[in-house]
Amino acid sequence: LAKTTQPISMDSYEGQEVNITCSHNNIATNDYITWYQQFPSQGPRFIIQGYKTKVTNEVASLFIPADRKSSTLSLPRVSLSDTAVYYCLVGPHNTNAGKSTFGDGTTLTVKP
Amino acid sequence: NAGVTQTPKFRVLKTGQSMTLLCAQDMNHEYMYWYRQDPGMGLRLIHYSVGEGTTAKGEVPDGYNVSRLKKQNFLLGLESAAPSQTSVYFCASSRIRGDTEAFFGQGTRLTVV
Repeated sequence: LAKTTQPISMDSYEGQEVNITCSHNNIATNDYITWYQQFPSQGPRFIIQGYKTKVTNEVASLFIPADRKSSTLSLPRVSLSDTAVYYCLVGPHNTNAGKSTFGDGTTLTVKP
Repeated sequence: NAGVTQTPKFRVLKTGQSMTLLCAQDMNHEYMYWYRQDPGMGLRLIHYSVGEGTTAKGEVPDGYNVSRLKKQNFLLGLESAAPSQTSVYFCASSRIRGDTEAFFGQGTRLTVV
């Protein structure tokens, strides 16, 4: 299983763009990269998933360089409600949540 | 559409007692999972199932048993609870292929005294 490394915490202010980078040096050829968000006392919630280059949805963008050894979750114009823990997971596409390791995540604090 | 529902939401057990946590999903998902989350840490996979009648061990399976008799239900059992099993337990489900988005329940907060 690919091990992931993320910053433990990050601070930002409302309206700013936040970029959270995840390192996964031993990512396998068939591994996808998935990001989840977790609020206190709730289960994680899927944000975005990608394999290479760039993926964008209504919530975030995911940037993956050619060597795929890292990825960056980009949250545009964050608000106070984006304060949460963000997890980067790496694993096979069709068994991602079962075979991937969550790690300790990145605690993002958005300040007014 | 309820998604993933966990029962109960809270429970206090005495050491040595047994209990079963129930997870139900109404999305016809093949895969189901049980995780535990200790304070300030990420989720660790206990057991998972790739279909009705099948189960497999995850990262931290010791002290737990599971059953998947029906596709929509995944049960997690503690035969003899220990204080080290005090944690928040999350159930999740996902489709077998296509997207791999996992849907999580709201969690069960278990305290073993």
